[in-house]
Amino acid sequence: NAGVTQTPKFRILKIGQSMTLQCTQDMNHNYMYWYRQDPGMGLKLIYYSVGAGITDKGEVPNGYNVSRSTTEDFPLRLELAAPSQTSVYFCASSYPRGDQPQHFGDGTRLSIL
Amino acid sequence: DQQVKQNSPSLSVQEGRISILNCDYTNSMFDYFLWYKKYPAEGPTFLISISSIKDKNEDGRFTVFLNKSAKHLSLHIVPSQPGDSAVYFCAAKGVRRETSGSRLTFGEGTQLTVNP
Repeated sequence: NAGVTQTPKFRILKIGQSMTLQCTQDMNHNYMYWYRQDPGMGLKLIYYSVGAGITDKGEVPNGYNVSRSTTEDFPLRLELAAPSQTSVYFCASSYPRGDQPQHFGDGTRLSIL
Repeated sequence: DQQVKQNSPSLSVQEGRISILNCDYTNSMFDYFLWYKKYPAEGPTFLISISSIKDKNEDGRFTVFLNKSAKHLSLHIVPSQPGDSAVYFCAAKGVRRETSGSRLTFGEGTQLTVNP
């Protein structure tokens, strides 16, 4: 029962570097999401996808890119890391039905120095 | 524009007593509400939910109450146990707006501490 798996768990980046946060799920969920959580704040939606090949912006998409080539994987790309992107990133997935909850991975803690 | 608010950053209760966590929302398009529980270094875990057609949903020690006219919901935990100590997030979505991909709007979270 892997559920939603995120890698890496921790990462330190220098300003201007790029990286990809990986997310994979084994529940055959159509919908996938990326959130960020800053200290003392709730989770903010970055991007989401309703199926392979379909992605859309959430509340805070600037500085990020996503792709969805398969049902299982939904990577998040940071092209030019900035200190404001220091955060904990959570990936989630769910079935399409509105009353179905989202299932979360354990997060990636990212520091930009 | 904080559409979902949890005004209490923290709550401390004694083991065995009731814990009441509160949440307010402003968007009248929200029609489905969820509570998530989060331990340190882990992702949020779904706890309980309620549809806007109901005013109460119960699951074991956890009960969620919804007051639509006040745009307020609360989570009751009875009896509280030390293992319940975690951050609790309230979240909301507009189920009828299926094109939104079931997007969730989260509150800021309340840290619950249950003392033995």
